[in-house]
Order: sequence, then structure tokens, then C-alpha cells
Amino acid sequence: DAKTTQPPSMDCAEGRAANLPCNHSTISGNEYVYWYRQIHSQGPQYIIHGLKNNETNEMASLIITEDRKSSTLILPHATLRDTAVYYCIVRPVNRDDKIIFGKGTRLHILP
Amino acid sequence: DTAVSQTPKYLVTQMGNDKSIKCEQNLGHDTMYWYKQDSKKFLKIMFSYNNKELIINETVPNRFSPKSPDKAHLNLHINSLELGDSAVYFCASSLSWLAGSGSSTDTQYFGPGTRLTVL
Repeated sequence: DAKTTQPPSMDCAEGRAANLPCNHSTISGNEYVYWYRQIHSQGPQYIIHGLKNNETNEMASLIITEDRKSSTLILPHATLRDTAVYYCIVRPVNRDDKIIFGKGTRLHILP
Repeated sequence: DTAVSQTPKYLVTQMGNDKSIKCEQNLGHDTMYWYKQDSKKFLKIMFSYNNKELIINETVPNRFSPKSPDKAHLNLHINSLELGDSAVYFCASSLSWLAGSGSSTDTQYFGPGTRLTVL
């Protein structure tokens, strides 16, 4: 089972910030949170990852709560091309522990 | 230049046949993966290789056999294909597998997928 829970779908108006939540209440102290997205029929694409500090790159920002039990991916100015399924993943510590992709959040960007 | 490539993109075959899907990465990565995405869109890891060494071997039928001739290639061979094998198969690679490091070396780059249809 996935170690994360996400809403199944969300809508966001084009040009607005899209805030995608993720719960990972059982995360352990040295497990990282990764976000990927999958645009229809394509392979998943890495977005961002973090441990406890907030992170920002050219694609998005990642806000992780102080207790690390949840995080939010922020797409600052959503465009139609951001329509995709977004996966929040807890990266296992042991190399033989599998990475589990949950059901993700299907983000619809509305024109 | 394509970072992670898979061939073929589409594969339609009859039950009982044996088929292979090839994956190549030109990123110089040490670790490669195979994932299966079924009709319900769940993405599940099948295998992982690090420097040609098998790391993860999920509970998949032994009809599925990965082969890594070198660290740039990870092929997936499937024997005696069944209807339930129909899915999209994704190959991925990452620079290396550093447990718990959280560094960008763990970031996975995915191929475009191979849609397998078993009739």
C-alpha cells in the first residue's frame, strides 16, 4: 500500500496557483517526499523532492509541514499543459524497499 | 536526444507468445527499473537493477525475466503471454541508488512507455 494519500482530483483555473496536498503521516525521519506527474500517455516526470525544508525549483514549490506528516506541491501559475496526474511518493530508505506510486491526484486546469 | 528510450512503443500479440521490450538510457545512470501500469492506472514497480545487479524483484510471475547486458540497457522478456499482461510498461533510470540520501541521484527518469496488448 502507498504510504501517501492524495485527493483523487482537483480543478484549478489557468493562471492561478495549484496547491496539491499530500498526507504521509507514517513517514519516518529520514524518508524523503518526492513528487512526479504523468501527463496523459507519457512516462512520469520528476517535479521536486524534499526532506523537511521547503524547496523550490523552476517547476514548482514544495511545502512540508514541520511535523512532516503532510506536504503541498504548488504550481505557481498553472497552465493547460499542467493537466496531469500528480503523484506524491515517500522514498524508502532501504534500497530493496519498493517505491510505491499511489493513485495520485488528477489535476484539471480550467481555461 | 532521448534520455530513456523504449522499443517498441506498441506491441500487439497473441496469448502464449514470447516477447521482449527493450530499454536504453544514455544518461550514464547506474540504476534502471521496470514498472507496469495497468488499466486502472496503478503504477507498480517490477524490477530494479543497479550496475547490472538485481535489487528489487517484486512478486511478478517468473514468466517475466529482466536482462541487463550492460548498465545502459535493461530489457524485459515475457514468456507465455497472458491476457492479464496487457498494460503499459515503463522503463526508468536514476543516477544511482543511495539509500535514504534523497539526493538528485535518486531522481528517476522515465521512458515513454510500451503499450502491450495481448489478444
